[in-house]
Amino acid sequence: QVLLQESGPGLVRPSETLSLTCTVSSEFNNNYYWGWIRQTPGTGLEWIGYVFYNGDTNYNPSLKSRVTISLDTSKNQFYLSLKSVTSADTATYHCARGVTEIATSQSWFDPWGQGILVTVSS
Amino acid sequence: DIQMTQSQSPLSASVGDRVSITCRASENIDTYLNWYQHKPGKAPKLLIYAASNLQSGVPSRFSGSGSGTEFTLTISSLQPEDIATYSCQQIYSSPQSFGQGTKLDIK
Repeated sequence: QVLLQESGPGLVRPSETLSLTCTVSSEFNNNYYWGWIRQTPGTGLEWIGYVFYNGDTNYNPSLKSRVTISLDTSKNQFYLSLKSVTSADTATYHCARGVTEIATSQSWFDPWGQGILVTVSS
Repeated sequence: DIQMTQSQSPLSASVGDRVSITCRASENIDTYLNWYQHKPGKAPKLLIYAASNLQSGVPSRFSGSGSGTEFTLTISSLQPEDIATYSCQQIYSSPQSFGQGTKLDIK
């Protein structure tokens, strides 16, 4: 059973950079892609972006100018960096494994990490 | 961008009830639609992928249907452990997007 676990600071100052790590217990390989999703009480889930095992990325255009997702295959980890944060970035951040069914191009996130609450406040 | 709109939240039902949660896409997404269950402090869980396929390990009381712009998640007999928020996700086009979530509680 693959497990994902987010880690990082729970409090970030406005205008600074939010940095999170997702550690994957096993099967960290090129059969999957690796994503970040955040959840706010008012607006539900928001896709942030994902990284492929080769380092290629795809980001939500609404966040693209501030987001970087990267990975370290030797550590079974991937990372989220979100710069110039404001209070609107206060959310629970989840990492998740992306699965694609080659024959149909269907895709989904499974499993997810339980999430980490990040508050942006001075 | 494709907008996803879900049933009114919260949705109240009794144990044993048949519950349906709807999700509407702002344009045709074929069957590129997934459903997730999430509870506070827990990892969100994939229930249904590709509109109607039950994820392994998910109880058979959950089912999904629909294509195009209208989709439904159905719980055939509500159980206390089903109290959660349910979200749909479209992956037809980028940026992928989620519905706002439907919170299900016990009447």
